[in-house]
Amino acid sequence: GAGVSQTPSNKVTEKGKYVELRCDPISGHTALYWYRQSLGQGPEFLIYFQGTGAADDSGLPNDRFFAVRPEGSVSTLKIQRTERGDSAVYLCASSLRDGYEQYFGPGTRLTVT
Amino acid sequence: GNSVTQMEGPVTLSEEAFLTINCTYTATGYPSLFWYVQYPGEGLQLLLKATKADDKGSNKGFEATYRKETTSFHLEKGSVQVSDSAVYFCALGFNAGNNRKLIWGLGTSLAVNP
Repeated sequence: GAGVSQTPSNKVTEKGKYVELRCDPISGHTALYWYRQSLGQGPEFLIYFQGTGAADDSGLPNDRFFAVRPEGSVSTLKIQRTERGDSAVYLCASSLRDGYEQYFGPGTRLTVT
Repeated sequence: GNSVTQMEGPVTLSEEAFLTINCTYTATGYPSLFWYVQYPGEGLQLLLKATKADDKGSNKGFEATYRKETTSFHLEKGSVQVSDSAVYFCALGFNAGNNRKLIWGLGTSLAVNP
């Protein structure tokens, strides 16, 4: 079946602009995670959804970052007033409710110029 | 707190060589341990896992044993192939309130030469 998909695969934006990154999880997976990965680093947790609600948003770095999952499937990560330090690969993963086994998408590479 | 320390790379081996990538952890409670792999141009994939002490995870010729006494989960393969070239991440999983959280190592890049 289809895996986790993320769009766009690459996004270049200017400092100060607003961006939206989309994640389409595996059908039936109720858990959805967003991570950020910088070069030479492991994934850094941002936010976790169980169904429609954000069960843990402790990893969001500041209030410029926000994520939604209105119907418990597709999720959108929104970044306002982007800064150069936001440049990274943003990863989305989904999982069955009780599993640590997370299935990752290919990521969106965000570059803020 | 919980943390993962992983052997630094890059690691370069010849085909059919023996591979070890070290991973040690600190944790409160009883975490689960994972190895994920990221092939060039692809997303992270779960390679193997172990959920309790002395469990051995295995997949695609790779093995790792959950050692509580040494707080380690070293990844091994007896004979690597060129197709094993990738970045390998050790991860620790624990319950954090409503979240099943993964803490990640920095990754070890492996290059296998023919």
